[in-house]
Amino acid sequence: SQQGEEDPQALSIQEGENATMNCSYKTSINNLQWYRQNSGRGLVHLILIRSNEREKHSGRLRVTLDTSKKSSSLLITASRAADTASYFCATDWEAAGNKLTFGGGTRVLVKP
Amino acid sequence: GAVVSQHPSWVICKSGTSVKIECRSLDFQATTMFWYRQFPKQSLMLMATSNEGSKATYEQGVEKDKFLINHASLTLSTLTVTSAHPEDSSFYICSAQAGGAVSLSYNEQFFGPGTRLTVL
Repeated sequence: SQQGEEDPQALSIQEGENATMNCSYKTSINNLQWYRQNSGRGLVHLILIRSNEREKHSGRLRVTLDTSKKSSSLLITASRAADTASYFCATDWEAAGNKLTFGGGTRVLVKP
Repeated sequence: GAVVSQHPSWVICKSGTSVKIECRSLDFQATTMFWYRQFPKQSLMLMATSNEGSKATYEQGVEKDKFLINHASLTLSTLTVTSAHPEDSSFYICSAQAGGAVSLSYNEQFFGPGTRLTVL
């Protein structure tokens, strides 16, 4: 099964609201990354958080990592219609080398 | 910097034909490239890892004779879907990984825009 699972699977919010999505994984990890994918397009790297980090910020994005719970969250503050996309977490861990394993993704719809 | 392209961006072919998809790193040398497949409304599933000058490593359940991967240079990897069938219709995405100053971190992969394959 996939290393990462995400919830919710879909999220619909109004512009200006915050969007929070969660990712859980099963094994010890080196890094956890979040990506955005617009419909039918490639992936855009958002943020990477290492296993020894607990929180990172990048603009309107805030990522947390709880290795004891094997989970991460991505918060998008003050959402915009342009944030409408699917968001995926991806992990890599020692035994898998450089390979990434993706979570199931959260489809976010930001309504204007 | 760190741009990855794919060609074609979409392709429609008849069942039984073969289709080649190219993945190029435009401004860096990629020692490793990865090929993913993504079905509609699903996540990316790694198909294989491609290292320049060596045979690709396929994930469990991926037929190496059906999905031929060639990584002949540090900037180009190709995926050939042989004898394509409708169930091979999918979105194929490659990523490229480089070392040194190009990568922000050891594990950063730069993703291509994807190729939509439709097999009739």
